[in-house]
Amino acid sequence: GAGVSQSPSNKVTEKGKDVELRCDPISGHTALYWYRQSLGQGLEFLIYFQGNSAPDKSGLPSDRFSAERTGGSVSTLTIQRTQQEDSAVYLCASSLTWTSLYEQYFGPGTRLTVT
Amino acid sequence: DQQVKQNSPSLSVQEGRISILNCDYTNSMFDYFLWYKKYPAEGPTFLISISSIKDKNEDGRFTVFLNKSAKHLSLHIVPSQPGDSAVYFCAASTGSYIPTFGRGTSLIVHP
Repeated sequence: GAGVSQSPSNKVTEKGKDVELRCDPISGHTALYWYRQSLGQGLEFLIYFQGNSAPDKSGLPSDRFSAERTGGSVSTLTIQRTQQEDSAVYLCASSLTWTSLYEQYFGPGTRLTVT
Repeated sequence: DQQVKQNSPSLSVQEGRISILNCDYTNSMFDYFLWYKKYPAEGPTFLISISSIKDKNEDGRFTVFLNKSAKHLSLHIVPSQPGDSAVYFCAASTGSYIPTFGRGTSLIVHP
């Protein structure tokens, strides 16, 4: 299909290791968002990319988290030195432009488990 | 501090009856409200929204009501169907900024 895809769907890692999560947005969507959902919590905003503008990193919980978006398309969320509290479902969403902020299309998520 | 609260983690309803999902918010600057539906192993999908200039928005079986003075909104599903069983997230935003999400309410519609 032409929806947002994320990989891997599941990731189990040991505490202290680095992980990379990938998001392929819908073709033509210039805005891309990362959220995470911890157990029993709502969706927590992490970072937002719009075109070639500097990303809005205001939601990143610590400097262990970073994200990049290459060529205005695929995005990678990197978590360094993972901790058990990083365990969550990481969701990526895209929208046509920032003005259609409300029409976000979400991917299925990556379930990260840190042991 | 949770700015968007969904105080009922779960709701069980009989098929054909009305489902009412509630959401409260604390930030009076919020002016746009959304509901998303999420099935297991899938990402949330946008369901319905309402601007603060309205108090009701209807789309088929789904109606969202907004009570600004009470800082409360609700989603009504009539009639409820088993396929409506999902987690429903309420979200609110200020202007066009990133919405703040609640923790979700799991709706189960029994046949």
